[in-house]
Amino acid sequence: DGGITQSPKYLFRKEGQNVTLSCEQNLNHDAMYWYRQDPGQGLRLIYYSQIVNDFQKGDIAEGYSVSREKKESFPLTVTSAQKNPTAFYLCASSVRVSGNTIYFGEGSWLTVV
Amino acid sequence: AQSVTQLGSHVSVSEGALVLLRCNYSSSVPPYLFWYVQYPNQGLQLLLKYTSAATLVKGINGFEAEFKKSETSFHLTKPSAHMSDAAEYFCAVSHNAGNMLTFGGGTRLMVKP
Repeated sequence: DGGITQSPKYLFRKEGQNVTLSCEQNLNHDAMYWYRQDPGQGLRLIYYSQIVNDFQKGDIAEGYSVSREKKESFPLTVTSAQKNPTAFYLCASSVRVSGNTIYFGEGSWLTVV
Repeated sequence: AQSVTQLGSHVSVSEGALVLLRCNYSSSVPPYLFWYVQYPNQGLQLLLKYTSAATLVKGINGFEAEFKKSETSFHLTKPSAHMSDAAEYFCAVSHNAGNMLTFGGGTRLMVKP
């Protein structure tokens, strides 16, 4: 079945560590996104990518990094520079950035211990 | 610039009662409008979308929304609430000139037995 797969579902990070969240899609979509969702709040855009080897900062990119070496994959690294990383992270994709329906993965919970 | 306002971060209804979730948008051009639903610890699922065809849009699970240009609104309704409708609902707007979706802050729907 086509869809977006995020892994792991739950991840614990020690302070000072970098962690990487995986996102893979088999929908043949050009655009991919990472959102952060804090409990009881809306979605905030971290990074997005319109095409392979290209990505742009969203509203809250500080402390995060991404890569887009393959069309299907858009991993997110939460670096030690992100001071408050505990949150629910959602990966998404769409055919293109402009005005298209965005499809979401199941999300990943990151907790700092 | 485009923005979305969802009035009421929490809405509580009794099972069988009308559901009305409010969404107002601002956009300088005719928009694309979306409603998404999020169940606990899951990603967002598309409920319905408006793309300049019929102003009354029917979605999944018995939900519908009406685009009212004069009121810049896209409220979500369902005639009779079911317990399984309890979730978080997000309104989103995009226009067809290259901008991405902008999400509202979300409304948590609670359904009382």
